[in-house]
Amino acid sequence: GNSVTQMEGPVTLSEEAFLTINCTYTATGYPSLFWYVQYPGEGLQLLLKATKADDKGSNKGFEATYRKETTSFHLEKGSVQVSDSAVYFCAPSNYNTDKLIFGTGTRLQVFP
Amino acid sequence: NAGVTQTPKFQVLKTGQSMTLQCAQDMNHNSMYWYRQDPGMGLRLIYYSASEGTTDKGEVPNGYNVSRLNKREFSLRLESAAPSQTSVYFCASRRGTQQDTQYFGPGTRLTVL
Repeated sequence: GNSVTQMEGPVTLSEEAFLTINCTYTATGYPSLFWYVQYPGEGLQLLLKATKADDKGSNKGFEATYRKETTSFHLEKGSVQVSDSAVYFCAPSNYNTDKLIFGTGTRLQVFP
Repeated sequence: NAGVTQTPKFQVLKTGQSMTLQCAQDMNHNSMYWYRQDPGMGLRLIYYSASEGTTDKGEVPNGYNVSRLNKREFSLRLESAAPSQTSVYFCASRRGTQQDTQYFGPGTRLTVL
C-alpha cells in the first residue's frame, strides 16, 4: 500500500544552520506532494506543495522538489530561525482517493 | 472566512460516556476528514466524507461514528468513550481533488478517564 517515511526527530539546530528533513514515499500513479507544519498547540497548516514531477514548492524560505525517480520530497531551508521550531509532516496524496498519507512527523528544535 | 472550526477545544470524559465533536467549514469544500493525533503516531484517519451524503472508514474507525450533516458540517461521535480514545482530534476539509490543499481545524484535546 501507499506509505511515507520521514527521518526520525528531533532535529536540533542552531539558528542560521542549514536544514534538511528527508521524506520518501511509495505510491501508485503520480501523487501530489505536501509538507505541512504544526506549531505548538495548533493544527496543521500547509507549508508548501508540488503537484508534478520536477516541480519545486517553496514558502517562507523552505523548498522541496518533487523527485519522481527517487520518490522523494526532501524539505530544505538555508538558514533556520528559532520561530521555525515545529513539527513537520510530509504527506503524499493518494492518487486514487481523496486521502493524504501522513508520516509520523519530524520535530525541529532551533536554538539561539 | 473562519476556515475550519471545531468545538469544543477541550473535553474530559469518564469511561463509558458519550459525546459529539463538531466541525464546520465555510470554504464550500466537498471533502471532510477526522483524524486523531497521538504521540509518535503521526495523524491517523478515522473517517472521511468525499461529498455530502457519503462517509467512509479510514485507518482507525472502531469506536467512532460520523455524520455529514450538510456540506458544511461533519461531526464525530464517541458512543462509549474508552481511555484509548484519549487523543487530539483534528477535522480537515479539502475542495476535492488530489492536488488540493487540505485545511485543518485547531483541534480538540480529549481526555477519557
